[in-house]
Amino acid sequence: ILNVEQSPQSLHVQEGDSTNFTCSFPSSNFYALHWYRWETAKSPEALFVMTLNGDEKKKGRISATLNTKEGYSYLYIKGSQPEDSATYLCASPEGSQGNLIFGKGTKLSVKP
Amino acid sequence: AAGVIQSPRHLIKEKRETATLKCYPIPRHDTVYWYQQGPGQDPQFLISFYEKMQSDKGSIPDRFSAQQFSDYHSELNMSSLELGDSALYFCASSYPLGRENTEAFFGQGTRLTVV
Repeated sequence: ILNVEQSPQSLHVQEGDSTNFTCSFPSSNFYALHWYRWETAKSPEALFVMTLNGDEKKKGRISATLNTKEGYSYLYIKGSQPEDSATYLCASPEGSQGNLIFGKGTKLSVKP
Repeated sequence: AAGVIQSPRHLIKEKRETATLKCYPIPRHDTVYWYQQGPGQDPQFLISFYEKMQSDKGSIPDRFSAQQFSDYHSELNMSSLELGDSALYFCASSYPLGRENTEAFFGQGTRLTVV
């Protein structure tokens, strides 16, 4: 069974700080790596879906990188804002038709 | 575009009662996932289905069962409800996720309150 791990479990930063967190996954039989943002009491929304080694994607102040050979992805947030406070989940499909295996998430709190 | 639809949106049940939550995936999505998020807690994976067969099982209590029907909608049945079952239950659907740029789409959730 695919094991997706995220670190740290939680993170507290001040507004304006830049931050990053990690998702690690098995490098063998890799298909894709997903990042989702989950705000409390809202639906998780997809941030990025990455498939290629060395891929880097950006959406506003948030960006992600992917290293499939060593099995990790970083999510970066530049100049954190209070509205960035959420749980950030990464996930990877188990096989080409497998279900999405989520990490436990990194809970980010940004203090004004 | 059609999204993942969950019903009901809110549900209040008494202890030891039974609840059924429904999830209607995006048309042509063949995979459904159920997640539970307790108050102030991280989302927990419960169970998933692919092509009407259970594909993975997470931290789902034995009191819960689920299935995916021929039209791909899924139902989560919860019996002998306990106060600790009060949570937001999310359903998500997707295509086979090995496809490039395929992502999971989440419904609005069902908030279950057990009193």
